[in-house]
Amino acid sequence: DGGITQSPKYLFRKEGQNVTLSCEQNLNHDAMYWYRQDPGQGLRLIYYSQIVNDFQKGDIAEGYSVSREKKESFPLTVTSAQKNPTAFYLCASSIRAEAFFGQGTRLTVV
Amino acid sequence: AQSVTQLGSHVSVSEGALVLLRCNYSSSVPPYLFWYVQYPNQGLQLLLKYTTGATLVKGINGFEAEFKKSETSFHLTKPSAHMSDAAEYFCAVSRGVLTGGGNKLTFGTGTQLKVEL
Repeated sequence: DGGITQSPKYLFRKEGQNVTLSCEQNLNHDAMYWYRQDPGQGLRLIYYSQIVNDFQKGDIAEGYSVSREKKESFPLTVTSAQKNPTAFYLCASSIRAEAFFGQGTRLTVV
Repeated sequence: AQSVTQLGSHVSVSEGALVLLRCNYSSSVPPYLFWYVQYPNQGLQLLLKYTTGATLVKGINGFEAEFKKSETSFHLTKPSAHMSDAAEYFCAVSRGVLTGGGNKLTFGTGTQLKVEL
């Protein structure tokens, strides 16, 4: 079935470590997005990519990095510079006006 | 710039009662408007969307919403609540400009719907 796959579902990180969250889609969508979700704050845009080999910062890009080497893949790295990384991370892709979301990765700093 | 305001972070209704979740938006260009639903520890599922045309939009699971430009609102309603409707609901706006790659969404802070027996 077509869709967006995020892995892992749960991730634990020690302080000072970088971690990479995976996002793969087989919907043939050009645009992909990473959102961060915190209780009571809705979803906030971290990075987005409209096309392969191009991406732009969203509203809260500090402490995060991305790459878009393939149309199907848009991994997010949470670096040690992100001071409060514990959150639920959602990846999405879109065609025209409709966005499709993955099941999310819950990242916890231990 | 775009923004979304969802009035009421928590809404509680009785099973069988009307569901009304409020959403007001701000946009400098004609907006595209969306309602998404999220169950615990899951992604977001699209309930319905308004792009152009008819201002009353019907979605899945019996939900509908009406775009009112004069009130800058896009409230979500359902005539009769079911226990399975208990979830978090997000209103979102994007710029009403179609590109091949779509466009980014700005979300409200969400409304948690509780359905009681």
